[in-house]
Amino acid sequence: GENVEQHPSTLSVQEGDSAVIKCTYSDSASNYFPWYKQELGKRPQLIIDIRSNVGEKKDQRIAVTLNKTAKHFSLHITETQPEDSAVYFCAATDSWGKLQFGAGTQVVVTP
Amino acid sequence: GAVVSQHPSRVICKSGTSVKIECRSLDFQATTMFWYRQFPKKSLMLMATSNEGSKATYEQGVEKDKFLINHASLTLSTLTVTSAHPEDSSFYICSAPRTGGLDEQYFGPGTRLTVT
Repeated sequence: GENVEQHPSTLSVQEGDSAVIKCTYSDSASNYFPWYKQELGKRPQLIIDIRSNVGEKKDQRIAVTLNKTAKHFSLHITETQPEDSAVYFCAATDSWGKLQFGAGTQVVVTP
Repeated sequence: GAVVSQHPSRVICKSGTSVKIECRSLDFQATTMFWYRQFPKKSLMLMATSNEGSKATYEQGVEKDKFLINHASLTLSTLTVTSAHPEDSSFYICSAPRTGGLDEQYFGPGTRLTVT
């Protein structure tokens, strides 16, 4: 089955700086890679996703890159703001549509 | 976007009792729904895949007799935690893909279960 690893587990950045979170996956059949932001006690919210036929995707301050050969994908947040503070999860979906999540990254943006 | 609801949002029950959690897709039909469990400061762990009209499939290590799943209609899946124990206390979240299982999944708001 799919195994998703995520690093770092915590990330502290100064407001305005960039944050990068990296994930690797094990199943070469995985074809959909979403990123979620979760605030305490709330549901995960999709912030960006990428499919296996695309190498990079950007949405305003958020971008995701995918390297299928190396089986890793990364989330980039630029110009971080205090409201970006949350737990971020990467995930990979296998051919059955099942999502396997990474362990999560606690991002703290300090003013 | 698609809407998935869960009920109840919070429940407290006594050890040994059973609790039912409902997951509904409000504006689309979901032949498949997924159930996750999340412990504090941990990731979401997939428990089982709920299939409309057929048996659920469970992930390794999840007891099917403990966590009963019923997906009786295209908009409703239920998870029943039977003979609950304090270690079952957790945040339970369902999700449903809108189309064919290969697309964005929409998450319910979650149910906080506390077993005393």
